[in-house]
Amino acid sequence: DVQMTQSPSNLAASPGESVSINCKASKSISKYLAWYQQKPGKANKLLIYSGSTLQSGTPSRFSGSGSGTDFTLTIRNLEPEDFGLYYCQQHNEYPPTFGSGTKLEIK
Amino acid sequence: EVQLVESGGGLVQPGRSLKLSCAASGFTFSDYNMAWVRQAPKKGLEWVATISYDGSSTYYRDSVKGRFTISRDNAKSTLYLQMDSLRSEDTATYYCARPINYGYTPFDYWGQGVMVTVSS
Repeated sequence: DVQMTQSPSNLAASPGESVSINCKASKSISKYLAWYQQKPGKANKLLIYSGSTLQSGTPSRFSGSGSGTDFTLTIRNLEPEDFGLYYCQQHNEYPPTFGSGTKLEIK
Repeated sequence: EVQLVESGGGLVQPGRSLKLSCAASGFTFSDYNMAWVRQAPKKGLEWVATISYDGSSTYYRDSVKGRFTISRDNAKSTLYLQMDSLRSEDTATYYCARPINYGYTPFDYWGQGVMVTVSS
């Protein structure tokens, strides 16, 4: 199985700032990486797939980059609703595997 | 509006069985592959199983093969997960999820999840 290593585990930032979350695959997954947001009491939300394709409804302040084994989720101009848990997931091969998560908190 | 609503969770003893259901609405259920994804308390997401749109193909993670069975009833727009020989490590919130664009992954719609606790 492809192992996904996500960093950092925790991140604190203020509204208006920019942050980056990294995800590293144990082998090449081409461009096939997705990013999700998880918040208490809400359904998990797909933000980005295929590395950089924004899912319908994802604000443009979110962007994804990378290919091969190294990927980054960048959130510019943080809004209060952006705080929560973020997970990466490779969708290049079965079984699909997820990163361990990054908790984005308000500073 | 796409909705996925899980049910059937609860507390069960090790070695016993439980069947989860996921009622789908707001889309043509029979057109889509469907999946179960779980999350143990304070842990990350873990894919469990996937079934093709017509039920002809199923896929499982190694740790549940031979114990869990994914199935669907397209006439009822309902997805199921039969869980047998349950272990403490199966304790988790189980999510029903729909893959994007008629594929197998990633997942563009998720249910709210149902909790399964395996304990004596």
